[in-house]
Amino acid sequence: DTEVTQTPKHLVMGMTNKKSLKCEQHMGHRAMYWYKQKAKKPPELMFVYSYEKLSINESVPSRFSPECPNSSLLNLHLHALQPEDSALYLCASSQPGQGVGYTFGSGTRLTVV
Amino acid sequence: SQQGEEDPQALSIQEGENATMNCSYKTSINNLQWYRQNSGRGLVHLILIRSNEREKHSGRLRVTLDTSKKSSSLLITASRAADTASYFCATVRDRGSTLGRLYFGRGTQLTVWP
Repeated sequence: DTEVTQTPKHLVMGMTNKKSLKCEQHMGHRAMYWYKQKAKKPPELMFVYSYEKLSINESVPSRFSPECPNSSLLNLHLHALQPEDSALYLCASSQPGQGVGYTFGSGTRLTVV
Repeated sequence: SQQGEEDPQALSIQEGENATMNCSYKTSINNLQWYRQNSGRGLVHLILIRSNEREKHSGRLRVTLDTSKKSSSLLITASRAADTASYFCATVRDRGSTLGRLYFGRGTQLTVWP
């Protein structure tokens, strides 16, 4: 299995809702990432988990809360989002220190209304 | 913050022609990677070149790296309509707390006309 699977593919949520984005990989990668991408812009790094521990938080607002329950799963919990948080959220994984490319999921298209 | 800058921002060519995209970056790197993204989809890793390498090939792709100029180029030969996508260069820096972070450039939108 050489894929990163993200669910759901599309999500519409209100500003008072709580929702979660899910990401799963079975390649044995021990680093997992969340990126945010606005239209016609490059992906921006949000969080990095290395060996199930949060190693990088790129000053992301607390309304985004990541979680790594095990080496295959990565969640992003959303609460009290703003319309400007609407974007494509991408999950990726890699093997630390191997100098290989990252594997990205297809993303979750999030719309906050 | 973003690391790389692609040039041109948009490129439009006919099928069969070659497409060349350039990327410049600012700091020392461990490696440089190129990714492709079809509209609104995930990114696909194309090729990785390490800081001690100067050129790499993969199928119709050729990547060069000039660390003295902090620049890289991606050449797609004999382009096809299916190559239409956004292409991003991304760098992994070589030291400290930034090791392992992947920084993306602004991207080049390539359109290949049949």
